[in-house]
Amino acid sequence: DSGVTQTPKHLITATGQRVTLRCSPRSGDLSVYWYQQSLDQGLQFLIQYYNGEERAKGNILERFSAQQFPDLHSELNLSSLELGDSALYFCASTLGGHLPNGYTFGSGTRLTVV
Amino acid sequence: DAKTTQPNSMESNEEEPVHLPCNHSTISGTDYIHWYRQLPSQGPEYVIHGLTSNVNNRMASLAIAEDRKSSTLILHRATLRDAAVYYCILVNYGGSQGNLIFGKGTKLSVKP
Repeated sequence: DSGVTQTPKHLITATGQRVTLRCSPRSGDLSVYWYQQSLDQGLQFLIQYYNGEERAKGNILERFSAQQFPDLHSELNLSSLELGDSALYFCASTLGGHLPNGYTFGSGTRLTVV
Repeated sequence: DAKTTQPNSMESNEEEPVHLPCNHSTISGTDYIHWYRQLPSQGPEYVIHGLTSNVNNRMASLAIAEDRKSSTLILHRATLRDAAVYYCILVNYGGSQGNLIFGKGTKLSVKP
């Protein structure tokens, strides 16, 4: 157990639907990052939150959105799903605040869009 | 973000040391060198990180060149469980809030 909890572990849904992925960061960590990993794209950074505020955006589609709540857990919302959104979605956390700590990743959510 | 260059793949024998190289010739003075690994069907796992001095932890050692333009991750005795993709990443905590930008990494195979 890395300390970062992601739910659900697996998700199968149809095209056009909307899903929500959840991430609980390691205790004490304020920064949360979301990554997408598909077979042909490798690990792609999507978005980062620090203590409830969005700090950086990567290759995140407009159909995707995220937020970090006061208890520091984060949710990634994926809407109007397409077949190409099928991928592993990872959440990572770190203490944040410009402190040079390592990052802890969750075990991911495997999303399959059919 | 400064880029890193790693070999696509490496092979090692079980119980032998493994040296995984990484070149980062455009590294800036405030970039930290991070290493992560990803086993099949798992999330990336933090291995080690450093700034200027060599670092050791229970998993590995990190040797950083004096000019910081290259580094080497050292696994002292490879086991079959060390077979994974290893990523060398530069992280600037002050600039982009420390985002990890993954490249293709080095796929390490360990032979029994």
